[in-house]
Amino acid sequence: AQSVTQLGSHVSVSEGALVLLRCNYSSSVPPYLFWYVQYPNQGLQLLLKYTSAATLVKGINGFEAEFKKSETSFHLTKPSAHMSDAAEYFCAVRGSSNTGKLIFGQGTTLQVKP
Amino acid sequence: GAGVSQSPSNKVTEKGKDVELRCDPISGHTALYWYRQSLGQGLEFLIYFQGNSAPDKSGLPSDRFSAERTGGSVSTLTIQRTQQEDSAVYLCASSLAPDSSYNEQFFGPGTRLTVL
Repeated sequence: AQSVTQLGSHVSVSEGALVLLRCNYSSSVPPYLFWYVQYPNQGLQLLLKYTSAATLVKGINGFEAEFKKSETSFHLTKPSAHMSDAAEYFCAVRGSSNTGKLIFGQGTTLQVKP
Repeated sequence: GAGVSQSPSNKVTEKGKDVELRCDPISGHTALYWYRQSLGQGLEFLIYFQGNSAPDKSGLPSDRFSAERTGGSVSTLTIQRTQQEDSAVYLCASSLAPDSSYNEQFFGPGTRLTVL
């Protein structure tokens, strides 16, 4: 069965600093992996997705993630944090059935300090 | 274009009452999903529709929960005899191609349900 673990429920960085949000997955098949962002009182917005085309995936708002099979990881990074990046971030893996349902990690709240 | 919409945005109900939550997916999206977001459980899958049929209901937590979809479009999630543990944000998502690598799910803003 597929599962996702996000290390760190809260991450705090200073504006301009590197953002690193960690995600490890477990999957019995080649995974499809996603990062979503949720701003307060809003739905989830897709940041980026890995579908086996390239291991380094670039997304919106300057975020990127690298798929590392040997480490079963899909960490999200951004070189320089902006205040507007403060939100909750979810890593997800597509379930093993062909329904496309997503299995989410517990989420990481990113705080950006001025 | 219009995204996924959900109504109501907030719902407060008394324990034991029934509630209906509505989702309008993006036009043309054949796949529709319901998820629940709660403090203790995070984001959980509830049910998946392909067209009007629901081949995966594995996430529904009890028989008090049911959902239907009509005309391959609007979906309604019904919770009967609500309990306090049903309090959560209920999210709806839709997508074009659930079983392809291009499955991007578009999420609505959610319905926040509070059971008193």
